[in-house]
Amino acid sequence: DAGVTQSPTHLIKTRGQQVTLRCSPISGHKSVSWYQQVLGQGPQFIFQYYEKEERGRGNFPDRFSARQFPNYSSELNVNALLLGDSALYLCASSPGPGGAETQYFGPGTRLLVL
Amino acid sequence: GQQLNQSPQSMFIQEGEDVSMNCTSSSIFNTWLWYKQDPGEGPVLLIALYKAGELTSNGRLTAQFGITRKDSFLNISASIPSDVGIYFCAGLYGGSQGNLIFGKGTKLSVKP
Repeated sequence: DAGVTQSPTHLIKTRGQQVTLRCSPISGHKSVSWYQQVLGQGPQFIFQYYEKEERGRGNFPDRFSARQFPNYSSELNVNALLLGDSALYLCASSPGPGGAETQYFGPGTRLLVL
Repeated sequence: GQQLNQSPQSMFIQEGEDVSMNCTSSSIFNTWLWYKQDPGEGPVLLIALYKAGELTSNGRLTAQFGITRKDSFLNISASIPSDVGIYFCAGLYGGSQGNLIFGKGTKLSVKP
């Protein structure tokens, strides 16, 4: 069975641009969470979506937004990119809204902002 | 905000040696998780701990949930080259993903 998939794998943008990252959860999983992992740090929670509704939001500015589609895939959008947004963006899926220990991570999208 | 202090930051050990790493916090957690991340991959869950004092094993890995609920330990016995990677602790203070706090990781390198 396919795991969590993310696209693109790598991305280079310039300051001020906008970016959209995509995630497809494991089949049957209805919850998707997004994390930002800056080099040398652990992942930091950005959003959780379950059944197309936002269930949690981390301490990130409004430039970050996300949505979940009827097929449970998800997009993360970041507007007005800053150099500090350069990071690995991880998507994780889980069967339901709770149980962080049941989530599976994708390989991530590495974003570089120049 | 809540923070986890994970140590050591990095370890360079000989194959066959045992490894110990730990995570401490000023806050209480009700679940401790240990992950391993390989280059180009997302973190993979190794062990989950749910009760203070709990000791859980997964093959050569053993982890403990500290009695104070503010710390956790991971031990790897008889390390092998494929143990190379970054190990993260994570504390969960509620039920949902939004309450999951990660440490900064311990980078493990193994000399054959």
